[in-house]
Formats: sequence, structure tokens, C-alpha cells
Amino acid sequence: DSGVTQTPKHLITATGQRVTLRCSPRSGDLSVYWYQQSLDQGLQFLIQYYNGEERAKGNILERFSAQQFPDLHSELNLSSLELGDSALYFCASSGGGQIYNEQFFGPGTRLTVL
Amino acid sequence: DAKTTQPNSMESNEEEPVHLPCNHSTISGTDYIHWYRQLPSQGPEYVIHGLTSNVNNRMASLAIAEDRKSSTLILHRATLRDAAVYYCILRDVGGGKLIFGQGTELSVKP
Repeated sequence: DSGVTQTPKHLITATGQRVTLRCSPRSGDLSVYWYQQSLDQGLQFLIQYYNGEERAKGNILERFSAQQFPDLHSELNLSSLELGDSALYFCASSGGGQIYNEQFFGPGTRLTVL
Repeated sequence: DAKTTQPNSMESNEEEPVHLPCNHSTISGTDYIHWYRQLPSQGPEYVIHGLTSNVNNRMASLAIAEDRKSSTLILHRATLRDAAVYYCILRDVGGGKLIFGQGTELSVKP
């Protein structure tokens, strides 16, 4: 158990819909990262938040947005869903600003868009 | 971001050592070498990291070439639980994100 929790575990929805994925980082971790894992693209970094502020952005679509709340949990919002958005979405957290801090990954949310 | 090259797959026998290679010829002086692995149906997990010197921890050892253009993750005694995809990642001194490549799928035979 990494200490990172993600809800829901599975999500099935239809094209055009909007969903919210939730992540609770390990206690004390200030950074939250979101990754997408699909069969064709592999594991891809989407976005990072540090103590409520956006820190880095990766290959995140404009239809996707994220935020980190004062209690440090984070939400990833996916809208106007397409079939190609079906994937595993992982959240990871890490401690302060140290560059070598390992990232602890949650169990993921499997999103299926029908 | 500097790239890494790993074999797509490797096979090992249980209780034997495994050497997983990684090439990173364009590594910069500020890049740390990280290894993560992803067990089936789980999120990735940290294995080890290093900058220049060889490193050991309870999970594995990391051997880094003198010119830092390659490294090897060493599992001293593979177990069935070590069957996973192993990712070699270069992480810049300023960057928190992890850029995953294709990784090496390790299978362990009993």
C-alpha cells in the first residue's frame, strides 16, 4: 500500500460526458502528479501540482483540467469524453521540493468510455 | 528530455540474478537515473535511483557506467514477484515529472 488513494477504482461512461477522478496523496506530501496509461501511448505525464499551485504540465488535453485543494487532495476533470480517453489514470505524490524524491503511485482509476 | 533505451523484454529464472540494461547516451550532468517498476494491475513503484556512484538498497542495486551513458539494474535473486515492467527514467535536477519509456518486461520462470 503506497498510501495514495484514488477513487473511483472503475468508471464507465459515455462519449461526451464529464467525469471527475479524485486523488488523496500520502500524508504530508505536497506534490501530486497525474499520469495516463493507455495501450498505444504507454504511461504519460499529464500535470503536476505542488501545494495547490500548478507546477508542470505535460501532454494534457484542453478538455482535461486538474486542481489541488487546500487539504492537498487533487481532482482530475475530464470533459467531452472520447473513446480514446479510455485508459488507466494514475495519481502519484511526493514530498517537498527535493529533486530526488520518489513518487508514490496510487492504484489507478480505470476509465472506460463507451 | 533525454531518452533511454531498454530491451523490450527479458527472461530470468527464479533465484538467479537479473541484469536489466539501460542506455542513455544523451544524459546531461544534472540528470538522475531512476528505476521504477510496474507489477501487473498496479501503479508503478520506485525501485532505486543514482547520479554517478553505484547504489544499493533492499530491492536492488544500480550500477552506473563511468561515462554515465548506460546503467544496469541488478536484482540479486529474482523471485516470481519481481515479474514486472521495469522503467529506466532520467529525471532532471529541476523536474519532478517522470517521463516513462516503453520499459523492459521481465518474466521470471520457476
